[in-house]
Amino acid sequence: EPEVTQTPSHQVTQMGQEVILRCVPISNHLYFYWYRQILGQKVEFLVSFYNNEISEKSEIFDDQFSVERPDGSNFTLKIRSTKLEDSAMYFCASSEVTAYQPQHFGDGTRLSIL
Amino acid sequence: GENVEQHPSTLSVQEGDSAVIKCTYSDSASNYFPWYKQELGKRPQLIIDIRSNVGEKKDQRIAVTLNKTAKHFSLHITETQPEDSAVYFCALGGTSYGKLTFGQGTILTVHP
Repeated sequence: EPEVTQTPSHQVTQMGQEVILRCVPISNHLYFYWYRQILGQKVEFLVSFYNNEISEKSEIFDDQFSVERPDGSNFTLKIRSTKLEDSAMYFCASSEVTAYQPQHFGDGTRLSIL
Repeated sequence: GENVEQHPSTLSVQEGDSAVIKCTYSDSASNYFPWYKQELGKRPQLIIDIRSNVGEKKDQRIAVTLNKTAKHFSLHITETQPEDSAVYFCALGGTSYGKLTFGQGTILTVHP
């Protein structure tokens, strides 16, 4: 069964540094998402992406965050200047043609900000 | 905006018993209701979903019921097994470009 893949599995970064989290969505999927989950809490929506542009973003997704689909397979989340409170598990997800299809999640990247 | 309340926050059952988790929501425009299972340190895994034109859906030991009038939907797990132990999240979708709004989660523990 095809899967969403994410790299790295764990990223440790100094506060103020830039990080890029990478995702390869399922190949025939057209909608892409980033979510985050602070330890022990619920999953929170960050951003949705379709047709090479952001469809919707949450209040968490401020100017420090950006997303990009640099080629035909990768989907990246960049945090420009990390803060301690950015420490969380970041999940990428993708879904098929319409936004109301099941979303399949990757294994996540655990981001630790020191 | 969308809001979803999930109860209970923890649920402990004996193997073979049934487990029911309920979510209530406020946005009547929601029309997609998935349930995810998350084992410790793993990805949320879709286990069942329902759309607003259906009242109930079943997949082996798992079922979801939806009451759009009352704005709640529930996950039912029958004949629970220890491997069902995990955190279960309900979610709302369908009101915008695929955004899912998650509930707070239910820690289900199935005792052998």
